[in-house]
Amino acid sequence: SQQGEEDPQALSIQEGENATMNCSYKTSINNLQWYRQNSGRGLVHLILIRSNEREKHSGRLRVTLDTSKKSSSLLITASRAADTASYFCATDANGAGSYQLTFGTGTKLSVIP
Amino acid sequence: GAVVSQHPSWVICKSGTSVKIECRSLDFQATTMFWYRQFPKQSLMLMATSNEGSKATYEQGVEKDKFLINHASLTLSTLTVTSAHPEDSSFYICSAPRQGTQPQHFGDGTRLSIL
Repeated sequence: SQQGEEDPQALSIQEGENATMNCSYKTSINNLQWYRQNSGRGLVHLILIRSNEREKHSGRLRVTLDTSKKSSSLLITASRAADTASYFCATDANGAGSYQLTFGTGTKLSVIP
Repeated sequence: GAVVSQHPSWVICKSGTSVKIECRSLDFQATTMFWYRQFPKQSLMLMATSNEGSKATYEQGVEKDKFLINHASLTLSTLTVTSAHPEDSSFYICSAPRQGTQPQHFGDGTRLSIL
């Protein structure tokens, strides 16, 4: 399978704590994206990091990318109950213009108020 | 607001029925759209790439005669699950990239339940 792996599969934390999720992938990439999915809903884009970038920030989100290890991490700081959702990494590995994404296995985050 | 609209959001029907799911890009033209399937507590698995004006490209193991895809206009792709059976019950999600940009925009998904 070309699907990426994410860990942990599930994460439960108290509100205010930080949450870290990790993603590993198998092929060379153009970029890596993180998406959020609330239960029974579609995906919402969070952040995109290009293969030549190592770190990116967006509000309470911090993403790192290590192409030598084929891994990425998503850090959510000062978590809130509303952050409860499943989080997926997705890699864009094909040629420019393909847009095809391969999703990781996902991390289910529960933030306890 | 949503830039990709997926309809219906929920379908319950009898075994043997064919079900059509629509995916529309609302404020941009999408020459390519993607259809995914997601089983409970699992990730998204790409089923097929829908190409406007040409045949869809199916992933290995996906039956093209079972899952018919039509991308007849630059803003609409449809997925028809033909003669659906209980094992076809799943969450189906479409996505569309704006031309020349990432990320993709996802529909809200369709929960299909076959009795």
